[in-house]
Amino acid sequence: KQEVTQIPAALSVPEGENLVLNCSFTDSAIYNLQWFRQDPGKGLTSLLLIQSSQREQTSGRLNASLDKSSGRSTLYIAASQPGDSATYLCAVRPGRDDKIIFGKGTRLHILP
Amino acid sequence: EAEVAQSPRYKITEKSQAVAFWCDPISGHATLYWYRQILGQGPELLVQFQDESVVDDSQLPKDRFSAERLKGVDSTLKIQPAELGDSAMYLCASSLVQGAAYNEQFFGPGTRLTVL
Repeated sequence: KQEVTQIPAALSVPEGENLVLNCSFTDSAIYNLQWFRQDPGKGLTSLLLIQSSQREQTSGRLNASLDKSSGRSTLYIAASQPGDSATYLCAVRPGRDDKIIFGKGTRLHILP
Repeated sequence: EAEVAQSPRYKITEKSQAVAFWCDPISGHATLYWYRQILGQGPELLVQFQDESVVDDSQLPKDRFSAERLKGVDSTLKIQPAELGDSAMYLCASSLVQGAAYNEQFFGPGTRLTVL
């Protein structure tokens, strides 16, 4: 059974720093992996989606990498801003027609 | 920009009462999902529709929960009777086609349910 783990559960960093959020999954056979952002009390916003054949995806200050063999993905945020404060969720789709499995998220707080 | 709409945004009810949530997916999206998210946890799939048909409802507590998507467009999720443990965020999402390459799910703002 696929399980998705995100460590740490919470993270506080000063504004301007580069940071990395981690996601690990137990079964390396995945279809794709997706990173979401969730603001308090709100829905999820998709940030990046990486297909199993890809190694990374970039959008603005965000870069997500995927290493299937080690069961890991990282979300890199460059030059963090207070507006980046949110919960970041990692989700894995095991197979093309499978439901996606979410981690519990990392709650990020950027200190002004 | 097209969005997934949900209503109400907040709902407070007493246990044993009935509640209903509504979702309108992005126009043209054939697949619709209902998730439940308990505070501090990731969302868990309750039910998935492909057009008007249920594809996966394995995690839906069918003794009290029901979901329908009669015309294959908007959907309603109902809980009757509500229990204290049902307090959570209920999220609706839609995607263009189930299982398609780069099949990205788009989420609505959610309905925050509090059962007293």
